[in-house]
Amino acid sequence: TQLLEQSPQFLSIQEGENLTVYCNSSSVFSSLQWYRQEPGEGPVLLVTVVTGGEVKKLKRLTFQFGDARKDSSLHITAAQPGDTGLYLCAGASAGTYKYIFGTGTRLKVLA
Amino acid sequence: SQTIHQWPATLVQPVGSPLSLECTVEGTSNPNLYWYRQAAGRGLQLLFYSVGIGQISSEVPQNLSASRPQDRQFILSSKKLLLSDSGFYLCAWSEGPMRDYTFGSGTRLTVV
Repeated sequence: TQLLEQSPQFLSIQEGENLTVYCNSSSVFSSLQWYRQEPGEGPVLLVTVVTGGEVKKLKRLTFQFGDARKDSSLHITAAQPGDTGLYLCAGASAGTYKYIFGTGTRLKVLA
Repeated sequence: SQTIHQWPATLVQPVGSPLSLECTVEGTSNPNLYWYRQAAGRGLQLLFYSVGIGQISSEVPQNLSASRPQDRQFILSSKKLLLSDSGFYLCAWSEGPMRDYTFGSGTRLTVV
């Protein structure tokens, strides 16, 4: 069974601070995604990475896929209250129809 | 453009009652469809997925079932709800395997 562990589970920081969220697995993924979810809403896709070592940037968010395609990180620079939410990673292996979701990191950015 | 609709948004049902949650997708054909359940503030658990009409794959044994009577319609059902069925249910679609997911807005189910 594929498992995606995210750390930390909870994170509360002040506005302007930097942070990194990790997504780890013992399985190799062909594709890995990051989502952000607001309370009472469905997750919204932020990025998809498919190549080992790949780095993608989305404004203040930097996503990296591990060289072995077993892990990923999300780094936020100068966090803002609008970044508050539940961050989820999801991985899919070659030949499958589905993404397996991680355990989630709940981020709260205080003004 | 493609849109996904999921209803109802909230539902309170007594133990032992039936359940029917509906999800429809517009603006695309032959989508892959998914039902996920989310425990409070945690990750998503895949319940069912479908790659075509009448084709349902179940990921976990449980009190629920899914059906796809039309190309862009995905229904989650139960004959008798249990307390443990409470949760946030999310429908999603994608164009194919390992393509980007688009989620519906979810249904908050409380079984009392």
